[in-house]
Amino acid sequence: EAGVTQFPSHSVIEKGQTVTLRCDPISGHDNLYWYRRVMGKEIKFLLHFVKESKQDESGMPNNRFLAERTGGTYSTLKVQPAELEDSGVYFCASSANRVMNTEAFFGQGTRLTVV
Amino acid sequence: GQNIDQPTEMTATEGAIVQINCTYQTSGFNGLFWYQQHAGEAPTFLSYNVLDGLEEKGRFSSFLSRSKGYSYLLLKELQMKDSASYLCAVRDRNAGNMLTFGGGTRLMVKP
Repeated sequence: EAGVTQFPSHSVIEKGQTVTLRCDPISGHDNLYWYRRVMGKEIKFLLHFVKESKQDESGMPNNRFLAERTGGTYSTLKVQPAELEDSGVYFCASSANRVMNTEAFFGQGTRLTVV
Repeated sequence: GQNIDQPTEMTATEGAIVQINCTYQTSGFNGLFWYQQHAGEAPTFLSYNVLDGLEEKGRFSSFLSRSKGYSYLLLKELQMKDSASYLCAVRDRNAGNMLTFGGGTRLMVKP
C-alpha cells in the first residue's frame, strides 16, 4: 500500500511567484493535515481536512496560503505570492480516524525555498 | 498555548543507551507521541503514551509522567541507523486535538 506522497520534493522559486504543493494521502483516509517546519523551528500545524471540508485552518499563517481538497482525495496548498519567510518544509499527514493518533502517517515533505 | 522543550542535539556511542527528554505544558493533555525523522524523509511514528508509565517496544521505550509534564524516549543498543531527529509531539484536546511538536532532538550515533 502506498504511503502519503507529496510533490514536488523540492521547489525553489523567486519571491512573488506562486507555488502549488500537492499531497496524496493514503487511500481511504478521510483526514488530511498540513504541517510546516520553518528552518530552526518546530513543526507547526497549518490545517485539517475531513474529506473535502476544512475542519480547522487555525494554523494558516495568512491569506497568501490557500488549501483545497476537491473531491476529498488529494490536496493542494498554494502559496501566492510567495515571500522569503515561507521557506521551509511542508509536511502532509493523513489518518483514518478524526483524532490523530497512532494511525497518522506523514509524507516526506516538500522543501520550499523562496529566494 | 503549549510549550514543548527537548534538547537540540545529543551524541551517543554505538551499542550504548540514550535517553531523550521532553517536557511540556498543555491545558488539555490528550497523548504524547514520539516520531523519528531521518533527513529528507517523513517523520515515522515510534510511540504513543496517554497514561503514566513506560511503554516498551523492542529497543525503544517511552515514559510519561502527566503530573510532571515529562516524557522520555529511551533507545537501547544504539545502532548507527538510529542517527536521526526525534520529535516529541503533544495532543491537546483544547486545541482541536491537533499535534503540537517540539523542535526535535538530533541524535548522532558514533562508532
